[in-house]
Amino acid sequence: EDKVVQSPLSLVVHEGDTVTLNCSYEVTNFRSLLWYKQEKKAPTFLFMLTSSGIEKKSGRLSSILDKKELSSILNITATQTGDSAIYLCAVGTHTGNQFYFGTGTSLTVIP
Amino acid sequence: DAGVTQSPTHLIKTRGQQVTLRCSPISGHKSVSWYQQVLGQGPQFIFQYYEKEERGRGNFPDRFSARQFPNYSSELNVNALLLGDSALYLCASSSGTSGGAAGETQYFGPGTRLLVL
Repeated sequence: EDKVVQSPLSLVVHEGDTVTLNCSYEVTNFRSLLWYKQEKKAPTFLFMLTSSGIEKKSGRLSSILDKKELSSILNITATQTGDSAIYLCAVGTHTGNQFYFGTGTSLTVIP
Repeated sequence: DAGVTQSPTHLIKTRGQQVTLRCSPISGHKSVSWYQQVLGQGPQFIFQYYEKEERGRGNFPDRFSARQFPNYSSELNVNALLLGDSALYLCASSSGTSGGAAGETQYFGPGTRLLVL
């Protein structure tokens, strides 16, 4: 059974801290791994990682895909209160046009 | 350009009733996917449509059905509602055929919050 597991489930940090969120997956015919940020309702796209693009960076956020370990990390440096959200990891496969989502990591940044 | 829109924003139904949720994709996007997100969980894939054809189906009972119209908007229908159907229903659109799995970015709408009493 395809599955995506995220850890930790929740995290509380102070502004300025650096956080690392984890995502591991067991899927058949891996195609891509995506990170989303969900603040209230709609998840907003952060990064997509594939075999041809295993590292992405945008400002204070960066992500790496480890295909050998079947996992990915999302790093956020110098956290701000606006980073408080649920961070979702999703994996796409070659078999079937769907994404498998993890349960998310709830990040709270305290001023 | 408008993003993905969904209606209604909130809905309250009772067990056994039927519900129809609507989604309009981003202009130019031909693929629409539906997800169910139960509180505290990640979104679960229900359907994906491209050019009015079903291209993917998740592990949901036959009470769930969907369709896509010539203008690429989509409806999700749920019959014989159960308490466990209470969730946020998300619609996502993308430009490609694979609902985003191949690499095109998938954009989510604000969702419809369904409460079944």
